[in-house]
Amino acid sequence: EAQVTQNPRYLITVTGKKLTVTCSQNMNHEYMSWYRQDPGLGLRQIYYSMNVEVTDKGDVPEGYKVSRKEKRNFPLILESPSPNQTSLYFCASAPDRRYSPLHFGNGTRLTVT
Amino acid sequence: GNSVTQMEGPVTLSEEAFLTINCTYTATGYPSLFWYVQYPGEGLQLLLKATKADDKGSNKGFEATYRKETTSFHLEKGSVQVSDSAVYFCALSRTGGSYIPTFGRGTSLIVHP
Repeated sequence: EAQVTQNPRYLITVTGKKLTVTCSQNMNHEYMSWYRQDPGLGLRQIYYSMNVEVTDKGDVPEGYKVSRKEKRNFPLILESPSPNQTSLYFCASAPDRRYSPLHFGNGTRLTVT
Repeated sequence: GNSVTQMEGPVTLSEEAFLTINCTYTATGYPSLFWYVQYPGEGLQLLLKATKADDKGSNKGFEATYRKETTSFHLEKGSVQVSDSAVYFCALSRTGGSYIPTFGRGTSLIVHP
């Protein structure tokens, strides 16, 4: 089944403790992206990647890191999480074609205390 | 730059009522337009799309027509059901290069029996 898989679904952590949220897609998509969703603010893009070893900042990259060493994986790293990073995070992927829709994972709800 | 503006929610309707969710966009060139739906506890999924002016996208009883003259892509459904309760996102694709989408803030729809 074609899908984008994020792990974990839920994560509670403390300020400053490094964490990684994994994202994997099995559709051979070039484009991958991370978003955070907050009430009243909609979806905001954190980072995106057009292909292996190519990553770019989105609208709200501060406090986050990503890597794209393999085409299928695009982990999101929070080196020193803070409470303002408490949010719902989504990974998404798409083929690099203009009319292609995004495929989303089911989300990771992160709470930083 | 590109932007998408959606009507504020929540939109609250009774079952079998007519639904309209307004979406207008600003973009250079000829973007593709999308509606995504997010059911509770899930990621976003594509609902419908239109790739050029006057195209009508349709799916699950929902329709939207790409209106270039009014830069709009309003979502409509003739008779909503309780199961349509979700958050709806309008989006466009970036033009003139690789695919990078822009999302509206989302509109919550609540349908009562």
